[in-house]
Amino acid sequence: QKEVEQDPGPLSVPEGAIVSLNCTYSNSAFQYFMWYRQYSRKGPELLMYTYSSGNKEDGRFTAQVDKSSKYISLFIRDSQPSDSATYLCAFLSGSARQLTFGSGTQLTVLP
Amino acid sequence: DTGVSQDPRHKITKRGQNVTFRCDPISEHNRLYWYRQTLGQGPEFLTYFQNEAQLEKSRLLSDRFSAERPKGSFSTLEIQRTEQGDSAMYLCASSSGQGAYEQYFGPGTRLTVT
Repeated sequence: QKEVEQDPGPLSVPEGAIVSLNCTYSNSAFQYFMWYRQYSRKGPELLMYTYSSGNKEDGRFTAQVDKSSKYISLFIRDSQPSDSATYLCAFLSGSARQLTFGSGTQLTVLP
Repeated sequence: DTGVSQDPRHKITKRGQNVTFRCDPISEHNRLYWYRQTLGQGPEFLTYFQNEAQLEKSRLLSDRFSAERPKGSFSTLEIQRTEQGDSAMYLCASSSGQGAYEQYFGPGTRLTVT
């Protein structure tokens, strides 16, 4: 079993839709939960991080963590064509320094 | 603050040649990380520096790979005797001492081994 599972997509939605991106994980030591956005042939860009169960909101983005189910989500409201990218979930245990990434979900928002 | 920079952005080399990549972190960040990313996969950790000390190395970092961070500023990653399996995007990230959860990535160096 892989430590992190992320649906690779591709996911295609119309402009203005609400997008839900998800990851599951198996490592109980993970304490920090991140979402990165990566445009084609660019480096990953940190969108949000959180360390507790519940929701964290930043503009059109909401990160949700359910530690009991080992499940995290990223919601994008009012999606825009500029949101078209690959979204990577990432995890960090308290003692570690390296991030463990999901394989990424490719999102296309159609105008 | 200009962010993390990497040089070169692209490198094409023949199998068996040596290559070296450079990373300049965000200026006040004392932690620096190298990752490797292949097509359709998330980045995989290679190595980590705190200031000039290399504190962690992944088992992915074979003997052909070496990384340095002299004086705790920029870092270099060298691959000796390149193999076709080394073809990937090599990403550098940095963070401050406050949190490894806020790692900021550079644009990457795309290596193609022919």
